[in-house]
Amino acid sequence: GAGVSQSPSNKVTEKGKDVELRCDPISGHTALYWYRQSLGQGLEFLIYFQGNSAPDKSGLPSDRFSAERTGGSVSTLTIQRTQQEDSAVYLCASSARQGADSGNTIYFGEGSWLTVV
Amino acid sequence: SQQGEEDPQALSIQEGENATMNCSYKTSINNLQWYRQNSGRGLVHLILIRSNEREKHSGRLRVTLDTSKKSSSLLITASRAADTASYFCATGGSYIPTFGRGTSLIVHP
Repeated sequence: GAGVSQSPSNKVTEKGKDVELRCDPISGHTALYWYRQSLGQGLEFLIYFQGNSAPDKSGLPSDRFSAERTGGSVSTLTIQRTQQEDSAVYLCASSARQGADSGNTIYFGEGSWLTVV
Repeated sequence: SQQGEEDPQALSIQEGENATMNCSYKTSINNLQWYRQNSGRGLVHLILIRSNEREKHSGRLRVTLDTSKKSSSLLITASRAADTASYFCATGGSYIPTFGRGTSLIVHP
């Protein structure tokens, strides 16, 4: 596609429910990132996928969070048993290769706004 | 802790004035990128400066990098109301870019 596409754009869920957030990166981009941004805060790294390599999950805040990337393209971030502190914007980004380190621009989606009530 | 930290946290200026934002970081980097985020939107890449560069221009944007001081600055000249946004720096030294909390810029028409 023309850009990074995320869905849903907005999600309100009840505490304790599971949610799935989807990211469709730019076609051909091998690197994919998930970040979380709480209101008025910076971006918190969650997880990084690069090609067929094992993902870097070092930023996931708890075992309620998981992500997968099927076929090296679309990624799904799953939050189980949501808590109110999970309320944030979840941003997905992709780049052609290894992102910032190789000088490649990272392109962001518009984010998925999650509100846990 | 976050690698890049922007300063000031908030900046309010009049249209036509210049806006300067700074970014400090802690460890060595390969490059540094600046992004803009309009309210409620994703981040948009503005400019990348490599560690062997000292200054870079793009339109009304001027970025400097001082690796000895581990700092960068973003200058927006002749600001416009449309420049109102949050600005983030991201450092590339590993494959995971790390972002600061951003500078919130308000340009009054």
